[in-house]
Amino acid sequence: KAGVTQTPRYLIKTRGQQVTLSCSPISGHRSVSWYQQTPGQGLQFLFEYFSETQRNKGNFPGRFSGRQFSNSRSEMNVSTLELGDSALYLCASSLGPDGIQETQYFGPGTRLLVL
Amino acid sequence: AQKITQTQPGMFVQEKEAVTLDCTYDTSDPSYGLFWYKQPSSGEMIFLIYQGSYDQQNATEGRYSLNFQKARKSANLVISASQLGDSAMYFCAMREGSGNEKLTFGTGTRLTIIP
Repeated sequence: KAGVTQTPRYLIKTRGQQVTLSCSPISGHRSVSWYQQTPGQGLQFLFEYFSETQRNKGNFPGRFSGRQFSNSRSEMNVSTLELGDSALYLCASSLGPDGIQETQYFGPGTRLLVL
Repeated sequence: AQKITQTQPGMFVQEKEAVTLDCTYDTSDPSYGLFWYKQPSSGEMIFLIYQGSYDQQNATEGRYSLNFQKARKSANLVISASQLGDSAMYFCAMREGSGNEKLTFGTGTRLTIIP
């Protein structure tokens, strides 16, 4: 079974631009979560989608948004990019919120550099 | 207060020795799950092992075992017979409550295996 895939793997943007990142979950997984990883802040939860609905959101400004499609694929968008948005963006998928044991499996990440 | 604390920023271990990576957590929710992930330099987070708050026995997965001490709120990862390929960042993470996909991560421990 194929793992979580993320595209693109690397991205360079300039301040003020917007960017869209894509995530395809493991087949059969219906929950997709997004995380931002930076050297200064570590790994931080952005949001989680299940059945095309955002179920949980982290403490990030409204410039960060996402959506999920009927096939469970998810996209996240960052508008008006700032230098501090440079990070590794990780997507994780799981079967769904069926219990505390549900394991999230991560993709390879998208490395975003904002100049 | 930090929910997940990893006090070892870096560790050096001789190949074939066992290593223990420390993790303490803080939660008032009686239902929670603890996870360990490995992150090689490529960036992808690899799931290693899971321990639930109601599990009576310590979790084991091949060379990985989790030393779960609930009263002390610690969930240390033990890697037996370390290999060069074990060199990576290791993250402890927690999920609180059921139906909640959000993972809270510690700051990680960089493990280097010396030949």
